[in-house]
This record gives sequence, structure tokens and C-alpha cells, in this order.
Amino acid sequence: AQKVTQAQTEISVVEKEDVTLDCVYETRDTTYYLFWYKQPPSGELVFLIRRNSFDEQNEISGRYSWNFQKSTSSFNFTITASQVVDSAVYFCALSERDNFNKFYFGSGTKLNVKP
Amino acid sequence: GAGVSQTPSNKVTEKGKYVELRCDPISGHTALYWYRQSLGQGPEFLIYFQGTGAADDSGLPNDRFFAVRPEGSVSTLKIQRTERGDSAVYLCASSPGQGASYNEQFFGPGTRLTVL
Repeated sequence: AQKVTQAQTEISVVEKEDVTLDCVYETRDTTYYLFWYKQPPSGELVFLIRRNSFDEQNEISGRYSWNFQKSTSSFNFTITASQVVDSAVYFCALSERDNFNKFYFGSGTKLNVKP
Repeated sequence: GAGVSQTPSNKVTEKGKYVELRCDPISGHTALYWYRQSLGQGPEFLIYFQGTGAADDSGLPNDRFFAVRPEGSVSTLKIQRTERGDSAVYLCASSPGQGASYNEQFFGPGTRLTVL
């Protein structure tokens, strides 16, 4: 079974729209980490955020915000006032207690931001 | 400072040949990872090193794949008797290995392997 599900394969928005990328995870562990990465057309994965399972506080960083809800096993990512430079594939990932260094990635959501 | 670097950026080989892919981690990072990314998919874990030793090689698909990190810095992923199904982008990442951000992984640009 997939440990991380990103159901949205591709999303297209117009610049300045807000957009939310969904991530649902599955684990039996009570201690785990969640991550988001951005992969622009150049191909290099860029680290965006890490959260541990004990910290459900939402986080905001500029135009980016993350909503972690253990009750629904979701860790969604919202971009406010999207820009063309936000166009990329975004990956959500999970690591679990037995090996916090082994990441399980979702299949990614491709975001197209049109001018 | 310098990020993770990988060489070559592209490698084209013929079925049955042997290839080596190299990764230079961020200086001071003790943990190093290899992933494989097929088109339209997320990265798939292959192996993780802590220092010189392979701490988890559970993602290596079969015994044609092998990786080393002899001095705890540079790592080489080796693929013997390549098959067309091995074609993918091979990603390397490193992380500090200790401290509060010990498992925050920073990725290199990848090596695109094409097996003809």
C-alpha cells in the first residue's frame, strides 16, 4: 500500500490564485516525520519543510503554509497568491520510527501557474 | 556553500554494460542517500549510508546494484549488467546526520541513466 498519496496529479491555476496541494499519509507509528519538496523543471529537489508527528502547529513561511492534521492523516500545502515561478512538481514524503532516514515519497503533484 | 553534486549528469549505455554513478555530498554531512526516480514518479529509496557503512540497503532492487562510500564522503552507485528497466534518474542526497535537523535531506541534480 502507498504510504503517501498525492491524489492530484496536475493542477493549473492563474497567477495570484491560491492553491492547495493535498497529501495523505499512512503509518502505524506514533512518531514520524513529514516533508515537502519542490522539483522545478531543472530537476533538483528543493527542501521546503519538515514536521514531526508531535508538532501539529500549522506553519507559515511567506506565501507558503502547511496544515498538518493527524485526525485525517493529512499534511496539506497551500501557496497563497501563486506566481509563475511556483510552477514545479511538489512531493510530499514520510519517514517512520524504524528508520527516520528512509523517505517514502508520494507520486507528486505538478503545479502549472499561468500568467 | 556547495550543494550535493553528481556526475555524470547524463549517462547512456548499452544493455549488459556496467556503470558507475558518483555523488559528492555537502561537506560535513555524515548521512548519504541514493534514490531512483522514474518518469512521473516520486523518488524511490535505494540505500542510505551513515559514515562509511550502509545503514539500510533495503531499497536496492537486486544484486546487480551496489553502492560504496569508502571514506565516508563521496559515494559511488554501481550497476552491473544494466537492463533497459534501469533507465531512470538516480538522485543522491545528504543530510547532517546529527543535531536537530539530522534527517533533512538535500538533493543533488541527479544522473539521468539511459540503457539502450
